Amino acid sequence: DTAVSQTPKYLVTQMGNDKSIKCEQNLGHDTMYWYKQDSKKFLKIMFSYNNKELIINETVPNRFSPKSPDKAHLNLHINSLELGDSAVYFCASSQSSGAYEQYFGPGTRLTVT
Amino acid sequence: AQSVTQLDSQVPVFEEAPVELRCNYSSSVSVYLFWYVQYPNQGLQLLLKYLSGSTLVKGINGFEAEFNKSQTSFHLRKPSVHISDTAEYFCAVSVSGSARQLTFGSGTQLTVLP
Repeated sequence: DTAVSQTPKYLVTQMGNDKSIKCEQNLGHDTMYWYKQDSKKFLKIMFSYNNKELIINETVPNRFSPKSPDKAHLNLHINSLELGDSAVYFCASSQSSGAYEQYFGPGTRLTVT
Repeated sequence: AQSVTQLDSQVPVFEEAPVELRCNYSSSVSVYLFWYVQYPNQGLQLLLKYLSGSTLVKGINGFEAEFNKSQTSFHLRKPSVHISDTAEYFCAVSVSGSARQLTFGSGTQLTVLP
């Protein structure tokens, strides 16, 4: 059983388009995250949701909008895509108390042409 | 705020040799420390973590790490590496008592040579 899943795995699109990436976790965790990994493999947190409430919102263009319909899902919508948005986006989840480790999805490789 | 420095961006090592991947952190408060591994075209997998207690932490795949508070380090070691250990390794830190914000180092590419 996949713990944290993301769709799609690959996404190729043109500048100016709007796209969404979906994330689901079946671990029963109450906190979910979006990370961006750039071409140099540097990982940076973008957003974090706890019980459907936004708790971390790093300096990210407002073209990026997360949406959490329930505790098990955290989707990422990106408007007006730019070349610089090309990256691998990872979803992760954790429990806010206890083991504290984050579990990561397989990533979505976004290429903007 | 916390920060993490991984001193080596690339570490080549021959198969069956020992390896150490270095990680130093900076924080004004107590922290939790983690090592994650990323195999090519995959997500991150937790290798091991330090929350409290014994400073020597054992993880999966024969890896271990030692927390040194005075040197603010959390170096990862393996006594004998395999070809399959070739991957990117990330050190990460979070504030004690919170899993909510992980700060990652820049990663170390471990390449195991035959």
